[in-house]
Parts: sequence; C-alpha cells; structure tokens
Amino acid sequence: DVKVTQSSRYLVKRTGEKVFLECVQDMDHENMFWYRQDPGLGLRLIYFSYDVKMKEKGDIPEGYSVSREKKERFSLILESASTNQTSMYLCASSFSAAGYTQYFGPGTRLTVL
Amino acid sequence: GESVGLHLPTLSVQEGDNSIINCAYSNSASDYFIWYKQESGKGPQFIIDIRSNMDKRQGQRVTVLLNKTVKHLSLQIAATQPGDSAVYFCAETSGNNDMRFGAGTRLTVKP
Repeated sequence: DVKVTQSSRYLVKRTGEKVFLECVQDMDHENMFWYRQDPGLGLRLIYFSYDVKMKEKGDIPEGYSVSREKKERFSLILESASTNQTSMYLCASSFSAAGYTQYFGPGTRLTVL
Repeated sequence: GESVGLHLPTLSVQEGDNSIINCAYSNSASDYFIWYKQESGKGPQFIIDIRSNMDKRQGQRVTVLLNKTVKHLSLQIAATQPGDSAVYFCAETSGNNDMRFGAGTRLTVKP
C-alpha cells in the first residue's frame, strides 16, 4: 500500500511566521506534488518535483517555495504566512511515467491568524 | 460534477440504492482518468481509474464509464452504503504531470 504522510494534521500560525509543511512517501515515487484545496475551487497545484533537487511551479506558486533534498521527502515553505494562505494543504506522489495515479496524504489544515 | 460557485453539487441517495456521479472534462487529449473519494477532514483516496482505450472498468461495487465522444466520465456505486458518504471528484491527465481535478460532488447516503 502506498503511504504518504504529512507532518501535521492541524496547524495554527500567525501572520508573518515562516511555516514548514513536510511530506514523506514510502513508495520510491519520483514525482511529488503540493496542492491547496479551498471550498468551490477544488485542488490547485502549488509546486511539484520530478526528482531530487528539481522543482517546477504549478498554477499558484506565489508566496510559497519548496525543497526536495531526498527522494522521499518534499517540503512546502511559506516564507511569511498571510491570512489568505489559510487552507487545506495536500501532498501527493506518483511514479514518473505519464498516466500514473497520484496518491495523497491526509492533508494539513493550516490556519493563519 | 462541476462546482457551482462555492457549493458542490449534491447527490442524496437511500442506503442500498445505486449512485451515479458524473464528470465532464474538456481536454480531448486526456488519456487517463481517475475517481477519488474524499471524506471529511481527510485526503483524497484513489477509487478506480480508466485509460482512454477503454469505455468501462469495474471494481468492487464501483464501475467507471468513459464516453470520449462527449467527454464524459461517470462513477457508479452499487448498493450504496453510509460509509460511501463523501465528496467524489474526477481527475484527468494527458501526461506530463498536468493532472486536472474536478471540484467534486457531495454524496449523502440516507439510512
């Protein structure tokens, strides 16, 4: 069974704080993704990575950065959290070949006060 | 099912009935489709997938139908149970990590 874990289920931070969201997968997947999910907007891709130290911007990268130092771990960083970054953050991973399913973690619900 | 403003389309069924959830997609080049189930407070869970060279695929109590002519995908759940209550959304991709997700349909099962 594929397992994708995220470091926190719930997180509350203050405006201006630096926030780290961690994601780990145990299936040796090449690809890893970060999404945010907001009511009525569905899943929106923030960043993805197709290899260690590689990253690509998704649809809404502004205000975020990522780090992939090891194949199994993909971190999302909010350099200076803002209230409009309050959301559900979902990490996913997949094999690199086209047409492979993305498997999701349980999500982190981040609230920025 | 596509979202309407901030409100998800909702399907309410009686326990034991069959459910059909629909999804329209726009990219005719999409060749791989997935249905996910998302329970409240949890991440999306893979249910079933289908490739564009098929028009039907069956799993345990679930069937996915693909109509490429009208770019329509459906998920059928047989003998719906209370545990099936969740948001269901489709995803499509033509490769290159460009998976696109629908906003989802909320399924409510009445006992």
